[in-house]
Amino acid sequence: AQSVTQPDIHITVSEGASLELRCNYSYGATPYLFWYVQSPGQGLQLLLKYFSGDTLVQGIKGFEAEFKRSQSSFNLRKPSVHWSDAAEYFCAVGEHGSSNTGKLIFGQGTTLQVKP
Amino acid sequence: GAGVSQSPSNKVTEKGKDVELRCDPISGHTALYWYRQSLGQGLEFLIYFQGNSAPDKSGLPSDRFSAERTGGSVSTLTIQRTQQEDSAVYLCASSTPGTVTNEQFFGPGTRLTVL
Repeated sequence: AQSVTQPDIHITVSEGASLELRCNYSYGATPYLFWYVQSPGQGLQLLLKYFSGDTLVQGIKGFEAEFKRSQSSFNLRKPSVHWSDAAEYFCAVGEHGSSNTGKLIFGQGTTLQVKP
Repeated sequence: GAGVSQSPSNKVTEKGKDVELRCDPISGHTALYWYRQSLGQGLEFLIYFQGNSAPDKSGLPSDRFSAERTGGSVSTLTIQRTQQEDSAVYLCASSTPGTVTNEQFFGPGTRLTVL
Protein backbone atom coordinates (compact mmCIF):
# COMPACT_ATOMS: atom_id res chain seq x y z
CA ALA A 1 0.00 0.00 0.00
CA GLN A 2 1.14 3.52 -0.65
CA SER A 3 2.47 5.45 2.30
CA VAL A 4 4.58 8.42 3.26
CA THR A 5 7.01 8.53 6.16
CA GLN A 6 8.47 11.60 7.75
CA PRO A 7 11.04 10.25 10.21
CA ASP A 8 11.46 13.45 12.19
CA ILE A 9 8.48 14.51 14.27
CA HIS A 10 10.14 17.64 15.59
CA ILE A 11 13.18 19.61 14.42
CA THR A 12 14.76 22.70 15.91
CA VAL A 13 17.17 24.87 13.95
CA SER A 14 18.72 28.26 14.56
CA GLU A 15 17.64 31.17 12.43
CA GLY A 16 19.96 31.47 9.46
CA ALA A 17 20.95 27.82 9.56
CA SER A 18 20.19 25.39 6.76
CA LEU A 19 17.28 22.99 6.93
CA GLU A 20 16.51 19.55 5.57
CA LEU A 21 13.25 17.75 6.28
CA ARG A 22 13.14 14.10 5.33
CA CYS A 23 10.40 12.31 3.46
CA ASN A 24 10.27 8.72 2.25
CA TYR A 25 7.45 7.27 0.21
CA SER A 26 6.17 3.90 -0.85
CA TYR A 27 4.19 3.93 -4.06
CA GLY A 28 3.74 1.35 -6.79
CA ALA A 29 3.96 3.73 -9.74
CA THR A 30 5.81 6.94 -10.50
CA PRO A 31 4.99 9.13 -7.54
CA TYR A 32 3.47 12.58 -7.67
CA LEU A 33 4.99 14.28 -4.64
CA PHE A 34 4.12 17.38 -2.69
CA TRP A 35 5.28 19.39 0.28
CA TYR A 36 2.76 21.47 2.22
CA VAL A 37 3.24 23.87 5.11
CA GLN A 38 0.74 24.56 7.86
CA SER A 39 1.21 27.62 10.01
CA PRO A 40 -0.61 27.77 13.35
CA GLY A 41 -4.34 28.19 12.83
CA GLN A 42 -3.96 28.13 9.06
CA GLY A 43 -4.84 25.71 6.33
CA LEU A 44 -2.24 23.88 4.31
CA GLN A 45 -0.31 25.80 1.70
CA LEU A 46 1.49 24.12 -1.17
CA LEU A 47 5.25 24.72 -1.13
CA LEU A 48 6.25 22.69 -4.16
CA LYS A 49 5.47 19.61 -6.18
CA TYR A 50 7.23 17.02 -8.31
CA PHE A 51 5.61 15.17 -11.19
CA SER A 52 8.43 14.37 -13.60
CA GLY A 53 11.52 15.80 -15.22
CA ASP A 54 14.21 17.63 -13.29
CA THR A 55 14.59 15.97 -9.93
CA LEU A 56 15.38 19.22 -8.14
CA VAL A 57 12.29 21.37 -7.85
CA GLN A 58 11.99 24.91 -6.60
CA GLY A 59 9.09 26.16 -4.57
CA ILE A 60 7.83 29.22 -2.81
CA LYS A 61 9.50 30.92 0.16
CA GLY A 62 12.97 29.77 -0.92
CA PHE A 63 12.32 26.06 -0.48
CA GLU A 64 13.50 23.30 -2.77
CA ALA A 65 13.19 19.54 -2.80
CA GLU A 66 15.07 16.75 -4.49
CA PHE A 67 13.45 13.57 -5.76
CA LYS A 68 15.67 10.50 -5.45
CA ARG A 69 14.03 7.45 -6.91
CA SER A 70 16.77 5.08 -5.73
CA GLN A 71 16.16 6.14 -2.14
CA SER A 72 12.39 6.66 -2.44
CA SER A 73 12.94 10.06 -0.93
CA PHE A 74 11.76 13.61 -1.50
CA ASN A 75 13.57 15.74 1.05
CA LEU A 76 12.78 19.41 1.55
CA ARG A 77 15.60 21.89 1.95
CA LYS A 78 16.18 25.56 2.61
CA PRO A 79 19.62 27.19 2.74
CA SER A 80 18.81 29.74 5.43
CA VAL A 81 15.82 29.47 7.74
CA HIS A 82 13.83 32.48 8.86
CA TRP A 83 11.84 32.72 12.09
CA SER A 84 8.66 32.85 10.01
CA ASP A 85 9.37 29.34 8.71
CA ALA A 86 8.35 27.86 12.06
CA ALA A 87 5.38 25.67 11.17
CA GLU A 88 4.36 22.10 10.51
CA TYR A 89 5.48 20.55 7.23
CA PHE A 90 3.75 17.71 5.45
CA CYS A 91 5.01 15.53 2.65
CA ALA A 92 2.37 13.85 0.52
CA VAL A 93 1.96 11.58 -2.46
CA GLY A 94 -0.95 12.10 -4.83
CA GLU A 95 -3.05 9.21 -6.01
CA HIS A 96 -3.13 8.77 -9.75
CA GLY A 97 -3.71 6.05 -12.25
CA SER A 98 -7.05 4.57 -13.15
CA SER A 99 -8.91 6.48 -10.48
CA ASN A 100 -6.81 9.63 -10.57
CA THR A 101 -8.85 11.35 -7.92
CA GLY A 102 -5.84 13.34 -6.85
CA LYS A 103 -6.45 12.48 -3.21
CA LEU A 104 -3.38 13.01 -1.09
CA ILE A 105 -1.69 10.55 1.23
CA PHE A 106 0.17 12.48 3.87
CA GLY A 107 3.09 11.80 6.13
CA GLN A 108 2.74 12.38 9.84
CA GLY A 109 4.26 15.84 9.60
CA THR A 110 7.38 17.49 10.96
CA THR A 111 7.14 20.42 13.32
CA LEU A 112 9.86 22.98 12.75
CA GLN A 113 10.92 25.25 15.57
CA VAL A 114 13.29 28.14 14.81
CA LYS A 115 15.58 29.46 17.54
CA PRO A 116 16.54 33.13 17.43
CA GLY B 1 -10.29 36.09 -4.76
CA ALA B 2 -11.93 34.24 -1.92
CA GLY B 3 -10.39 31.00 -0.78
CA VAL B 4 -11.96 27.91 0.70
CA SER B 5 -14.00 28.72 3.76
CA GLN B 6 -15.17 26.41 6.50
CA SER B 7 -17.63 26.83 9.33
CA PRO B 8 -17.72 26.73 12.20
CA SER B 9 -14.06 27.27 13.00
CA ASN B 10 -14.53 25.52 16.32
CA LYS B 11 -17.18 23.10 17.50
CA VAL B 12 -17.52 21.58 20.93
CA THR B 13 -20.12 18.88 21.35
CA GLU B 14 -21.11 16.16 23.73
CA LYS B 15 -20.57 12.52 23.01
CA GLY B 16 -23.54 11.05 21.17
CA LYS B 17 -24.64 14.28 19.51
CA ASP B 18 -24.71 14.83 15.76
CA VAL B 19 -22.61 17.57 14.14
CA GLU B 20 -22.50 19.21 10.73
CA LEU B 21 -19.42 20.83 9.29
CA ARG B 22 -19.63 23.08 6.28
CA CYS B 23 -17.25 23.79 3.44
CA ASP B 24 -17.52 26.48 0.78
CA PRO B 25 -15.04 25.73 -2.01
CA ILE B 26 -13.46 28.23 -4.33
CA SER B 27 -16.00 29.32 -6.91
CA GLY B 28 -15.78 27.22 -10.05
CA HIS B 29 -13.80 24.40 -8.47
CA THR B 30 -15.36 21.12 -9.45
CA ALA B 31 -13.51 18.88 -7.03
CA LEU B 32 -13.88 18.91 -3.26
CA TYR B 33 -12.02 16.85 -0.68
CA TRP B 34 -12.45 16.31 3.05
CA TYR B 35 -9.49 15.34 5.22
CA ARG B 36 -9.17 14.76 8.92
CA GLN B 37 -6.18 15.80 11.00
CA SER B 38 -5.94 14.06 14.35
CA LEU B 39 -3.17 13.43 16.86
CA GLY B 40 -3.17 9.70 16.51
CA GLN B 41 -3.77 9.35 12.78
CA GLY B 42 -2.14 12.39 11.21
CA LEU B 43 -3.76 13.79 8.07
CA GLU B 44 -6.06 11.31 6.37
CA PHE B 45 -8.36 11.44 3.38
CA LEU B 46 -12.08 11.06 4.05
CA ILE B 47 -14.14 11.70 0.92
CA TYR B 48 -13.88 13.20 -2.57
CA PHE B 49 -16.48 14.81 -4.82
CA GLN B 50 -15.96 15.52 -8.52
CA GLY B 51 -18.76 17.30 -10.32
CA ASN B 52 -21.87 15.15 -10.53
CA SER B 53 -19.99 11.86 -10.28
CA ALA B 54 -20.53 9.46 -7.41
CA PRO B 55 -18.26 10.47 -4.53
CA ASP B 56 -15.25 8.43 -3.46
CA LYS B 57 -16.14 7.56 0.13
CA SER B 58 -13.28 5.15 0.64
CA GLY B 59 -11.75 7.15 3.48
CA LEU B 60 -14.79 7.48 5.72
CA PRO B 61 -13.92 5.69 8.98
CA SER B 62 -17.42 4.45 9.83
CA ASP B 63 -21.04 4.68 8.76
CA ARG B 64 -21.52 7.46 11.29
CA PHE B 65 -19.76 9.71 8.80
CA SER B 66 -21.49 11.02 5.70
CA ALA B 67 -21.11 13.95 3.37
CA GLU B 68 -23.05 15.61 0.64
CA ARG B 69 -22.41 18.29 -1.87
CA THR B 70 -25.35 20.34 -3.03
CA GLY B 71 -25.43 21.92 -6.46
CA GLY B 72 -21.81 21.06 -7.05
CA SER B 73 -20.70 23.71 -4.58
CA VAL B 74 -21.15 23.72 -0.80
CA SER B 75 -20.44 20.52 1.05
CA THR B 76 -21.56 19.34 4.47
CA LEU B 77 -19.80 16.64 6.46
CA THR B 78 -22.09 15.05 9.03
CA ILE B 79 -20.96 12.96 11.96
CA GLN B 80 -23.70 11.13 13.79
CA ARG B 81 -23.50 9.96 17.40
CA THR B 82 -20.10 11.57 17.88
CA GLN B 83 -17.43 9.74 19.81
CA GLN B 84 -14.37 11.15 21.57
CA GLU B 85 -12.11 9.67 18.91
CA ASP B 86 -13.83 11.92 16.38
CA SER B 87 -12.10 14.91 17.96
CA ALA B 88 -9.87 16.34 15.24
CA VAL B 89 -9.45 19.17 12.79
CA TYR B 90 -11.51 18.61 9.67
CA LEU B 91 -10.01 20.17 6.57
CA CYS B 92 -11.70 20.82 3.27
CA ALA B 93 -9.89 21.39 -0.03
CA SER B 94 -10.99 22.18 -3.55
CA SER B 95 -9.41 22.03 -6.97
CA THR B 96 -10.36 22.05 -10.60
CA PRO B 97 -10.60 19.45 -11.84
CA GLY B 98 -9.84 16.81 -9.24
CA THR B 99 -6.74 15.21 -10.63
CA VAL B 100 -3.33 14.73 -9.11
CA THR B 101 -1.74 17.47 -11.18
CA ASN B 102 -4.07 20.20 -9.97
CA GLU B 103 -3.30 22.01 -6.76
CA GLN B 104 -5.68 21.51 -3.89
CA PHE B 105 -6.49 24.68 -1.97
CA PHE B 106 -7.22 24.09 1.68
CA GLY B 107 -9.54 25.86 4.04
CA PRO B 108 -8.56 26.77 7.62
CA GLY B 109 -10.36 23.78 9.06
CA THR B 110 -12.97 23.10 11.71
CA ARG B 111 -11.67 21.99 15.09
CA LEU B 112 -14.10 19.47 16.56
CA THR B 113 -13.93 18.59 20.23
CA VAL B 114 -16.13 15.81 21.56
CA LEU B 115 -16.50 15.83 25.31
